[in-house]
Amino acid sequence: SAVISQKPSRDICQRGTSLTIQCQVDSQVTMMFWYRQQPGQSLTLIATANQGSEATYESGFVIDKFPISRPNLTFSTLTVSNMSPEDSSIYLCSVVGRQGDTEAFFGQGTRLTVV
Amino acid sequence: EDKVVQSPLSLVVHEGDTVTLNCSYEVTNFRSLLWYKQEKKAPTFLFMLTSSGIEKKSGRLSSILDKKELFSILNITATQTGDSAVYLCAVDPRGTGANNLFFGTGTRLTVIP
Repeated sequence: SAVISQKPSRDICQRGTSLTIQCQVDSQVTMMFWYRQQPGQSLTLIATANQGSEATYESGFVIDKFPISRPNLTFSTLTVSNMSPEDSSIYLCSVVGRQGDTEAFFGQGTRLTVV
Repeated sequence: EDKVVQSPLSLVVHEGDTVTLNCSYEVTNFRSLLWYKQEKKAPTFLFMLTSSGIEKKSGRLSSILDKKELFSILNITATQTGDSAVYLCAVDPRGTGANNLFFGTGTRLTVIP
């Protein structure tokens, strides 16, 4: 299984500012995903981070609000831009190790509170 | 519209009780069903089920899939306080054109001493 390091683990931010969350994996992985979990809700996929190209966003999520980078096969960042209290959530990085794998592993999550 | 529905939404039991968590799904394409345990932030993987009728077992936890009736159950026997968590069910349609897991809203299990 992949070991995923996600940071920060938590942050409290002022509205209007931006926060960048990092996800580092200990091995090369095929796919990396970013999820959001709003309070009391299940996980919702924000986007698939594509290595060397623009991320693929799900309906309701846009690049201007959630820019994503993936410069190589082991690292990705998610930025939450121009934050509002509605962005208060847990953000999770997820990886799939090899092409064809189903099992997805998760980072420790980032608990974001926007005040 | 693809969806995954879990029941009950929450459950409170005493240590030693046995619990059954339910997950039903409606998806256009199905590859597998996964169960996760979420204690604080990060879900941890429990089981992956791809075939009907084959029970997966790990200690006091077991799970089975019924692809005809489109549901799965997760059983926990002799529950302990450490089993308190949110249990998430997810369906994987990937490899069939879709890219992501569909998660249910979870069942919050509380085990009291």
